[in-house]
Amino acid sequence: GAGVSQTPSNKVTEKGKYVELRCDPISGHTALYWYRQSLGQGPEFLIYFQGTGAADDSGLPNDRFFAVRPEGSVSTLKIQRTERGDSAVYLCASSPDSGEGETQYFGPGTRLLVL
Amino acid sequence: AQSVTQLGSHVSVSEGALVLLRCNYSSSVPPYLFWYVQYPNQGLQLLLKYTTGATLVKGINGFEAEFKKSETSFHLTKPSAHMSDAAEYFCAVRSKTNSGYALNFGKGTSLLVTP
Repeated sequence: GAGVSQTPSNKVTEKGKYVELRCDPISGHTALYWYRQSLGQGPEFLIYFQGTGAADDSGLPNDRFFAVRPEGSVSTLKIQRTERGDSAVYLCASSPDSGEGETQYFGPGTRLLVL
Repeated sequence: AQSVTQLGSHVSVSEGALVLLRCNYSSSVPPYLFWYVQYPNQGLQLLLKYTTGATLVKGINGFEAEFKKSETSFHLTKPSAHMSDAAEYFCAVRSKTNSGYALNFGKGTSLLVTP
């Protein structure tokens, strides 16, 4: 079946601009996660949704970052007033539920470059 | 808090040689541990995971890992490396969030396989 998809695969923007990154999880998965992977680092947790609500947004670095999942499926990560330090690969993952042993299935990521 | 440390950012082995990628964890609760592989320009793919039960876990592509509580380790091994194993490998530990679980990743180990 179809895996997690993310669009766009690459995004180049200028400092100060607004960007939206989209994630389509595996059908039927209730839990959705966003991670950020900087060069040479492992992914870092940003935010987690269970259904439509953001269950935990403690990983968002500041209030320029926001994410939504209005219908409990597709999610959009929004970044306002982008800064060069926001350049990274943004990964989305989904899992059937949010149980402690659940496997998270990752998408290919969106590579964001802020000039 | 739960965290993992991967020893060695780069590992090089000859084709046919043993692969050993090291991961040590720190956790105040019984850990759930994961190994993911990332091929260039692709998302993370689960190799194997340890939740409870048997401490020797077998995964895909001939990889296995052994959970050793006394050593707080979860090293990844493969008896004979293939050229196709060249990739980035990430160890991760389940981390409790406000109402679910996310993953805390190590910084990754880049595996190079030489002919």
